[in-house]
Amino acid sequence: KAGVTQTPRYLIKTRGQQVTLSCSPISGHRSVSWYQQTPGQGLQFLFEYFSETQRNKGNFPGRFSGRQFSNSRSEMNVSTLELGDSALYLCASSPTALANTGELFFGEGSRLTVL
Amino acid sequence: SQQGEEDPQALSIQEGENATMNCSYKTSINNLQWYRQNSGRGLVHLILIRSNEREKHSGRLRVTLDTSKKSSSLLITASRAADTASYFCATGQGGSEKLVFGKGMKLTVNP
Repeated sequence: KAGVTQTPRYLIKTRGQQVTLSCSPISGHRSVSWYQQTPGQGLQFLFEYFSETQRNKGNFPGRFSGRQFSNSRSEMNVSTLELGDSALYLCASSPTALANTGELFFGEGSRLTVL
Repeated sequence: SQQGEEDPQALSIQEGENATMNCSYKTSINNLQWYRQNSGRGLVHLILIRSNEREKHSGRLRVTLDTSKKSSSLLITASRAADTASYFCATGQGGSEKLVFGKGMKLTVNP
């Protein structure tokens, strides 16, 4: 069974630009969560989606948005990039309907650098 | 805000020794999980312990949970250089709440 796939793995953007990151969960998993990881803040929760519905949202500004498609694939978008958005963005899928009740399967992440 | 707090934040040991990491949390939980992350990679799930369990084993891993003290410990026995990684505890409160991760603890196992 293929794991969680995140694309792109690495990207460099400049301030003010926008970026879209993609996540394909493990086949059959309908719950997808996104996390931002930085050295200073650790793992910060961004969103959780289940069956195309956003079920939870973290404390991030409106520049961060996401969505989930009918095939459970998910995308997140960050607009008007700031230097502080440089981070490793991790996507995780879960076989359980409630993401916090079972293990999460993580992708390798998308490393975003904002110059 | 972070729910779990790992302690110590960094640990350096020799191969063959045991490594113990602790996690404290603040609210009631449904389960507590431990994850490992190799540098710059995704997290890998190690073990999950539910709130009604006190101890769980998986290979060289042993996890304990004390809900009265709101704490958990992860013991890695007979450590190997390949165990060098960051370790995170994560707490699930059940319902529709998110899984919340601690800041992590860096383990270095010297060959």
